[in-house]
This record gives sequence, C-alpha cells and structure tokens, in this order.
Amino acid sequence: EAQVTQNPRYLITVTGKKLTVTCSQNMNHEYMSWYRQDPGLGLRQIYYSMNVEVTDKGDVPEGYKVSRKEKRNFPLILESPSPNQTSLYFCASSPGQGGFRGYTFGSGTRLTVV
Amino acid sequence: TQLLEQSPQFLSIQEGENLTVYCNSSSVFSSLQWYRQEPGEGPVLLVTVVTGGEVKKLKRLTFQFGDARKDSSLHITAAQPGDTGLYLCAGGADGNNRLAFGKGNQVVVIP
Repeated sequence: EAQVTQNPRYLITVTGKKLTVTCSQNMNHEYMSWYRQDPGLGLRQIYYSMNVEVTDKGDVPEGYKVSRKEKRNFPLILESPSPNQTSLYFCASSPGQGGFRGYTFGSGTRLTVV
Repeated sequence: TQLLEQSPQFLSIQEGENLTVYCNSSSVFSSLQWYRQEPGEGPVLLVTVVTGGEVKKLKRLTFQFGDARKDSSLHITAAQPGDTGLYLCAGGADGNNRLAFGKGNQVVVIP
C-alpha cells in the first residue's frame, strides 16, 4: 500500500530534550515536506526537500532541522524543544515538485512539550 | 507565499441538503487541490485542477476552478454524515516551488 509513515503518533516530552520524528514514504517520491497544524493558523510548512541532500526552509523553520540522506526518509529533528512547538505535525510526499501534483500525507504526530 | 481565503469557516447542515464552500485568492495558480481531513488524521487528496474553468466530479462532490485560476469552489450534493470534515484548498503558482494552504472549511453534516 502506498503510504507515508510517521512515528511516533503521540509524544510528550520536556523542554530541551532533543527528539526526532521519523517519516518514510514507499512511493519513490522526490518531494517531501513537513507541516505543523495549529488551531486558527492552519497548515504551515516547516521544511521541504526537492531530492536527496536538497532541503530548504518553509514558512516556520526556527527550532527545527531536517535531513534527506535517502530518498524515502525525511526525519524532523527538534534539538531543544520548547512549549511553543507543541503542535500536530504532518509529513507529506509528492511525485511532483512543490506538491503541485498532490500530496500524500502521513497520519500525523501530536507533540506536547511541557 | 500566496494567501488563500476559504469561506465559510464553519458550516453545519442537515443530511440531504446541498452545500458549497469557496477558496479565493488574488494570486493565479497553475495547480489547485482540495483535501479532506478528519480529526486527528492527515489530509487526504480529493482532486487536483489545473485548467481555468475546469470542472471535476467525484461522486456527489463537484469541484470548479475559476476561469482566471484565482478561485475554486466545492459543491456537495445531498450531503451525508460521512462528508463531515475539514476541507482544505491548496494552490501552487508558477515560479514558486511551494504550495500554499487555506485554513479550511469545517463542514458538519447532521444525521
């Protein structure tokens, strides 16, 4: 089944404790992206990647890092999480650049930073 | 980043009624998509439209892309409780390698 897999689904952590949210897609898509979704603010792009070793900032990159060492994986790293990073996070992939041909989204990671 | 305005923000209707929601922008898009999202889940792509004036149908859902490619509408005929969800539009413009998302239309269909 074609899918984007994120882990974990739920995560509660403390301020300052480094964490990684994994994302993997099995569709051989070149383009991958991370979004956060907050009430009243909608989906906001954090980082995106156009291919292996090619990443760029989205609208809200502060406090986040990403890497794209393999085509299928695009982990999101929070080096020192803070409470304002409490949010619902989505990874997505697309066969076309920019997501113009449509995204497949993961099921989401609900992160709480206390 | 382009701005997409979706209206109405919230809509509650009875089962069997029809509804239309809108997605508007001042930007011209080369690609516009609609997604449906259920609580706690990721958005699911419903349709992509690329040609001005294009109309696409997906069962009881009808999607229209404006002639000027700046706006779109989603019409649901004889709504059912299973149509309940957050409908998101997303647009991509030439020369821009990122999609912009609207904040969504929350639709509730009451049995």
